[in-house]
Amino acid sequence: GAGVSQSPSNKVTEKGKDVELRCDPISGHTALYWYRQRLGQGLEFLIYFQGNSAPDKSGLPSDRFSAERTGESVSTLTIQRTQQEDSAVYLCASSLFPEQFFGPGTRLTVL
Amino acid sequence: AQRVTQPEKLLSVFKGAPVELKCNYSYSGSPELFWYVQYSRQRLQLLLRHISRESIKGFTADLNKGETSFHLKKPFAQEEDSAMYYCALSTNAGNMLTFGGGTRLMVKP
Repeated sequence: GAGVSQSPSNKVTEKGKDVELRCDPISGHTALYWYRQRLGQGLEFLIYFQGNSAPDKSGLPSDRFSAERTGESVSTLTIQRTQQEDSAVYLCASSLFPEQFFGPGTRLTVL
Repeated sequence: AQRVTQPEKLLSVFKGAPVELKCNYSYSGSPELFWYVQYSRQRLQLLLRHISRESIKGFTADLNKGETSFHLKKPFAQEEDSAMYYCALSTNAGNMLTFGGGTRLMVKP
Protein backbone atom coordinates (compact mmCIF):
# COMPACT_ATOMS: atom_id res chain seq x y z
CA GLY A 1 0.00 0.00 0.00
CA ALA A 2 0.90 3.65 -0.22
CA GLY A 3 3.09 5.20 2.40
CA VAL A 4 2.59 8.49 4.20
CA SER A 5 1.89 11.31 1.78
CA GLN A 6 2.18 15.05 2.29
CA SER A 7 1.06 18.04 0.29
CA PRO A 8 2.18 20.37 -1.04
CA SER A 9 5.74 19.21 -1.56
CA ASN A 10 6.91 22.82 -1.72
CA LYS A 11 5.29 26.00 -0.47
CA VAL A 12 6.60 29.54 -0.87
CA THR A 13 4.72 32.21 1.00
CA GLU A 14 5.11 35.78 2.09
CA LYS A 15 5.74 36.78 5.67
CA GLY A 16 2.48 37.28 7.50
CA LYS A 17 0.41 34.87 5.41
CA ASP A 18 -1.22 31.73 6.78
CA VAL A 19 -0.29 28.30 5.41
CA GLU A 20 -1.86 24.88 5.71
CA LEU A 21 0.10 21.66 5.31
CA ARG A 22 -1.56 18.30 4.82
CA CYS A 23 -0.59 14.78 5.85
CA ASP A 24 -2.26 11.52 4.80
CA PRO A 25 -1.06 8.73 7.09
CA ILE A 26 -0.88 5.02 6.35
CA SER A 27 -4.34 3.53 6.68
CA GLY A 28 -4.88 1.95 10.08
CA HIS A 29 -2.05 3.79 11.82
CA THR A 30 -3.42 5.19 15.04
CA ALA A 31 -0.56 7.54 15.84
CA LEU A 32 0.44 10.60 13.82
CA TYR A 33 3.33 12.99 14.45
CA TRP A 34 4.48 16.30 13.02
CA TYR A 35 8.16 17.28 13.08
CA ARG A 36 10.06 20.29 11.79
CA GLN A 37 13.57 20.22 10.33
CA ARG A 38 15.41 23.48 9.91
CA LEU A 39 18.35 23.64 7.53
CA GLY A 40 21.33 21.71 8.87
CA GLN A 41 19.55 20.61 12.01
CA GLY A 42 17.82 17.53 13.33
CA LEU A 43 14.10 17.01 13.53
CA GLU A 44 12.11 18.82 16.21
CA PHE A 45 8.91 17.28 17.53
CA LEU A 46 5.85 19.49 17.12
CA ILE A 47 2.65 17.58 17.92
CA TYR A 48 1.39 14.03 18.37
CA PHE A 49 -2.07 12.49 17.84
CA GLN A 50 -3.06 9.09 19.22
CA GLY A 51 -6.53 7.80 18.46
CA ASN A 52 -9.22 9.87 20.16
CA SER A 53 -6.96 11.11 22.95
CA ALA A 54 -6.17 14.79 23.35
CA PRO A 55 -3.12 15.62 21.21
CA ASP A 56 0.27 16.22 22.77
CA LYS A 57 1.03 19.80 21.72
CA SER A 58 4.12 20.21 23.85
CA GLY A 59 6.43 20.76 20.88
CA LEU A 60 4.53 23.57 19.18
CA PRO A 61 6.84 26.61 19.20
CA SER A 62 4.14 29.28 19.46
CA ASP A 63 0.38 29.82 19.37
CA ARG A 64 0.68 30.58 15.66
CA PHE A 65 1.02 26.82 15.15
CA SER A 66 -1.97 24.48 15.35
CA ALA A 67 -2.90 21.08 14.00
CA GLU A 68 -5.99 18.97 13.60
CA ARG A 69 -6.63 15.35 12.79
CA THR A 70 -9.88 13.90 11.53
CA GLY A 71 -10.38 10.58 13.31
CA GLU A 72 -7.50 8.34 12.36
CA SER A 73 -6.99 9.86 8.93
CA VAL A 74 -5.76 13.09 7.44
CA SER A 75 -4.07 15.78 9.51
CA THR A 76 -3.47 19.45 8.75
CA LEU A 77 -0.81 21.66 10.30
CA THR A 78 -1.64 25.36 10.15
CA ILE A 79 0.85 28.16 10.65
CA GLN A 80 -0.68 31.60 11.03
CA ARG A 81 1.10 34.88 10.31
CA THR A 82 4.19 33.07 9.03
CA GLN A 83 7.64 34.38 9.94
CA GLN A 84 10.94 33.82 8.17
CA GLU A 85 12.10 31.55 11.00
CA ASP A 86 9.24 29.19 10.12
CA SER A 87 11.12 28.23 6.95
CA ALA A 88 11.87 24.52 7.24
CA VAL A 89 10.89 21.08 6.05
CA TYR A 90 7.79 19.88 7.86
CA LEU A 91 7.65 16.10 8.20
CA CYS A 92 4.71 13.94 9.11
CA ALA A 93 4.98 10.38 10.41
CA SER A 94 2.43 7.72 11.26
CA SER A 95 2.88 4.70 13.45
CA LEU A 96 1.39 1.50 14.81
CA PHE A 97 4.32 1.43 17.26
CA PRO A 98 7.15 1.28 17.59
CA GLU A 99 8.34 2.22 14.11
CA GLN A 100 7.41 5.59 12.67
CA PHE A 101 6.93 5.86 8.91
CA PHE A 102 7.78 9.25 7.48
CA GLY A 103 6.32 11.20 4.62
CA PRO A 104 8.43 13.05 2.07
CA GLY A 105 7.93 16.37 3.81
CA THR A 106 6.75 19.82 2.81
CA ARG A 107 9.46 22.40 2.24
CA LEU A 108 8.15 25.76 3.46
CA THR A 109 9.92 28.95 2.45
CA VAL A 110 8.79 32.22 3.99
CA LEU A 111 10.02 35.27 2.08
CA ALA B 1 14.21 16.70 29.29
CA GLN B 2 15.85 14.20 27.01
CA ARG B 3 18.58 15.10 24.56
CA VAL B 4 20.44 13.33 21.75
CA THR B 5 23.86 14.42 20.55
CA GLN B 6 25.66 13.40 17.39
CA PRO B 7 29.05 15.09 17.63
CA GLU B 8 30.05 14.67 13.98
CA LYS B 9 28.17 16.51 11.26
CA LEU B 10 30.24 14.82 8.55
CA LEU B 11 32.11 11.54 8.48
CA SER B 12 34.11 10.61 5.41
CA VAL B 13 35.66 7.15 4.97
CA PHE B 14 36.97 5.02 2.14
CA LYS B 15 35.09 2.00 0.86
CA GLY B 16 35.96 -1.06 2.90
CA ALA B 17 37.01 0.92 5.97
CA PRO B 18 35.24 0.52 9.31
CA VAL B 19 32.78 3.21 10.26
CA GLU B 20 31.40 4.35 13.59
CA LEU B 21 28.77 7.06 13.91
CA LYS B 22 28.60 8.37 17.44
CA CYS B 23 25.44 9.02 19.39
CA ASN B 24 25.14 10.07 23.03
CA TYR B 25 21.95 10.69 24.91
CA SER B 26 20.71 12.10 28.18
CA TYR B 27 17.54 10.79 29.78
CA SER B 28 16.85 9.84 33.37
CA GLY B 29 14.61 6.88 32.56
CA SER B 30 14.96 3.84 30.30
CA PRO B 31 14.90 5.05 26.72
CA GLU B 32 14.39 3.23 23.49
CA LEU B 33 17.04 4.15 20.92
CA PHE B 34 16.79 4.15 17.15
CA TRP B 35 18.89 4.89 14.10
CA TYR B 36 17.10 6.41 11.13
CA VAL B 37 18.67 6.87 7.69
CA GLN B 38 17.88 9.16 4.79
CA TYR B 39 19.39 8.27 1.43
CA SER B 40 19.60 10.89 -1.29
CA ARG B 41 16.15 11.87 -2.56
CA GLN B 42 14.43 9.32 -0.31
CA ARG B 43 12.39 9.74 2.82
CA LEU B 44 13.59 9.11 6.32
CA GLN B 45 13.38 5.44 7.26
CA LEU B 46 14.16 3.26 10.23
CA LEU B 47 17.52 1.48 10.09
CA LEU B 48 17.51 -0.30 13.42
CA ARG B 49 16.33 -0.13 17.04
CA HIS B 50 18.24 -1.27 20.08
CA ILE B 51 15.51 -3.56 21.38
CA SER B 52 15.57 -5.77 18.31
CA ARG B 53 19.35 -6.24 18.56
CA GLU B 54 19.58 -7.12 14.89
CA SER B 55 22.03 -6.24 12.15
CA ILE B 56 20.61 -4.34 9.20
CA LYS B 57 22.69 -3.85 6.04
CA GLY B 58 25.72 -4.86 8.09
CA PHE B 59 25.13 -2.13 10.69
CA THR B 60 24.91 -2.82 14.40
CA ALA B 61 24.41 -0.59 17.41
CA ASP B 62 24.75 -1.45 21.09
CA LEU B 63 23.12 0.52 23.85
CA ASN B 64 25.68 1.35 26.53
CA LYS B 65 23.74 2.64 29.51
CA GLY B 66 26.90 3.36 31.50
CA GLU B 67 28.23 5.70 28.82
CA THR B 68 24.73 6.71 27.62
CA SER B 69 25.76 5.94 24.07
CA PHE B 70 24.27 4.16 21.08
CA HIS B 71 27.00 4.26 18.45
CA LEU B 72 26.31 2.83 14.98
CA LYS B 73 29.01 0.60 13.54
CA LYS B 74 29.81 -1.23 10.36
CA PRO B 75 33.05 -3.15 9.79
CA PHE B 76 33.33 -2.52 6.03
CA ALA B 77 31.65 0.57 4.59
CA GLN B 78 30.12 0.46 1.13
CA GLU B 79 29.48 3.37 -1.24
CA GLU B 80 25.74 2.79 -0.99
CA ASP B 81 25.96 3.52 2.73
CA SER B 82 26.43 7.21 1.93
CA ALA B 83 23.49 8.99 3.53
CA MET B 84 22.33 11.11 6.47
CA TYR B 85 22.06 9.16 9.70
CA TYR B 86 19.97 10.29 12.66
CA CYS B 87 20.04 8.85 16.13
CA ALA B 88 16.72 9.15 17.95
CA LEU B 89 15.35 8.45 21.40
CA SER B 90 11.86 7.56 22.56
CA THR B 91 10.52 7.59 26.09
CA ASN B 92 7.44 5.67 27.13
CA ALA B 93 5.37 8.84 26.99
CA GLY B 94 3.74 9.10 23.61
CA ASN B 95 6.51 7.50 21.66
CA MET B 96 7.48 10.80 20.05
CA LEU B 97 11.11 10.84 18.95
CA THR B 98 13.87 13.18 20.04
CA PHE B 99 16.44 13.37 17.26
CA GLY B 100 20.11 14.20 17.16
CA GLY B 101 21.40 16.69 14.62
CA GLY B 102 22.42 14.00 12.16
CA THR B 103 25.70 12.82 10.65
CA ARG B 104 26.36 12.80 6.94
CA LEU B 105 28.32 9.69 6.02
CA MET B 106 30.29 9.84 2.79
CA VAL B 107 31.92 6.64 1.58
CA LYS B 108 34.54 7.32 -1.05
CA PRO B 109 35.51 4.75 -3.69
